[in-house]
Amino acid sequence: QAVLTQPSSLSASPGTSASLTCTLRSGISVGTYSIYWYQQKPGSPPHYLLRYKSDSDKHQGSGVPSRFSGSKDASANAGILLISGLQSEDEADYYCMIWHSSAWVFGGGTKLTVL
Amino acid sequence: QVQLVESGGGVVQPERSLRLSCAASGFTFSSYVMHWVRQAPGKGLEWVASIWSDGTTVFYADSVRGRFTISRDNAKNTLYLQMNSLRAEDTAVYFCAREIVDTGDFDYWGQGTLVTVSS
Repeated sequence: QAVLTQPSSLSASPGTSASLTCTLRSGISVGTYSIYWYQQKPGSPPHYLLRYKSDSDKHQGSGVPSRFSGSKDASANAGILLISGLQSEDEADYYCMIWHSSAWVFGGGTKLTVL
Repeated sequence: QVQLVESGGGVVQPERSLRLSCAASGFTFSSYVMHWVRQAPGKGLEWVASIWSDGTTVFYADSVRGRFTISRDNAKNTLYLQMNSLRAEDTAVYFCAREIVDTGDFDYWGQGTLVTVSS
């Protein structure tokens, strides 16, 4: 079982919100981790969005709009990237990441389609 | 402005070696942890290796440990990745990335350099 699991794809309409999940493997508690989120558009390197551990321990990337936010769902053992007011430019691949067992681990990525 | 420029990619035969470089500018290179992250064609991101600002501590992914070596020359503002015993599965775009001190935030990335391992 992968350390981090992300749905492979998600579609949402412009102006609505999209909730991208990053589920941690059983036995790894989301509460103990900072979850990092990256956006990648075709042909470009990843772009840092934000880091979320708790409401009192979080960081927004420089220039990243506030409509991108992080949270956790402890019951689902998952980190969440919420994108509100979706725009066509938000169409991209989104990756979560954690530091686990002395290694950086990426989720498999979610392809977000805005249509 | 911050710039990270990778070089050294190309086509290489299996079991051969290649060294990648990442030239940094626009910031105090010696103060930052640096990373290599790769992306196979059409696939997701995979962390490869990290090196502390002074070069004394390094970490590797299991998939490359024992074959790849990360290093840096702070006098030359350059990060390296020596890749030995290359395999077909090492074919990927290799990105270098900077980490904001003590945060884990990979805030700047290079454009990447493509390594193709093929006979």
